[in-house]
Amino acid sequence: AQSVAQPEDQVNVAEGNPLTVKCTYSVSGNPYLFWYVQYPNRGLQFLLKYITGDNLVKGSYGFEAEFNKSQTSFHLKKPSALVSDSALYFCAVRDVSRTSGTYKYIFGTGTRLKVLA
Amino acid sequence: KAGVTQTPRYLIKTRGQQVTLSCSPISGHRSVSWYQQTPGQGLQFLFEYFSETQRNKGNFPGRFSGRQFSNSRSEMNVSTLELGDSALYLCASSTQGISQETQYFGPGTRLLVL
Repeated sequence: AQSVAQPEDQVNVAEGNPLTVKCTYSVSGNPYLFWYVQYPNRGLQFLLKYITGDNLVKGSYGFEAEFNKSQTSFHLKKPSALVSDSALYFCAVRDVSRTSGTYKYIFGTGTRLKVLA
Repeated sequence: KAGVTQTPRYLIKTRGQQVTLSCSPISGHRSVSWYQQTPGQGLQFLFEYFSETQRNKGNFPGRFSGRQFSNSRSEMNVSTLELGDSALYLCASSTQGISQETQYFGPGTRLLVL
């Protein structure tokens, strides 16, 4: 079965410093990978996705992610963190059932990012 | 365009009752998916509806059901509520469905079962 792992429950970073939120995946075939952000009492907001093409994907709010096939990683990055980036971040992979051909999204457990002023 | 809307935003029920949650997708979106978010299990996929048909399904018991109307609005029903059903229920919409595209999420309905 396909899966994603977010090894860090929480990441703390000082405002203005670069940030990285880690995600590794396990899939058969080519992965469809996503990053979403969730602010308190809000639904998930789409940040970026990788389906094919350039390994460096640029997304909303200055975020980017690097797809690394050899390390099966899809880490989320931002060159300079803002206090307003503090939120819960989810990595997700699209899963396809080999038996039924049905689709679903599998989400990681989430990483809470705290940007300190 | 207006985003995905969910009603109600908050709900309190007791064990054994049933509940119906509503989701209105972004205009023009024909796919609606439902997710359950809990602190212990994280985000889990319930099912997806596309053009009034259930197209994909997660691993939830039959107490969880849904439907989609001709205007793409969707409802999710949970019967015989259990304490463990307390969660944030999110719906998401897209034009062609989760096999193809990015999903856009609503703010969620927070259900508390007492």
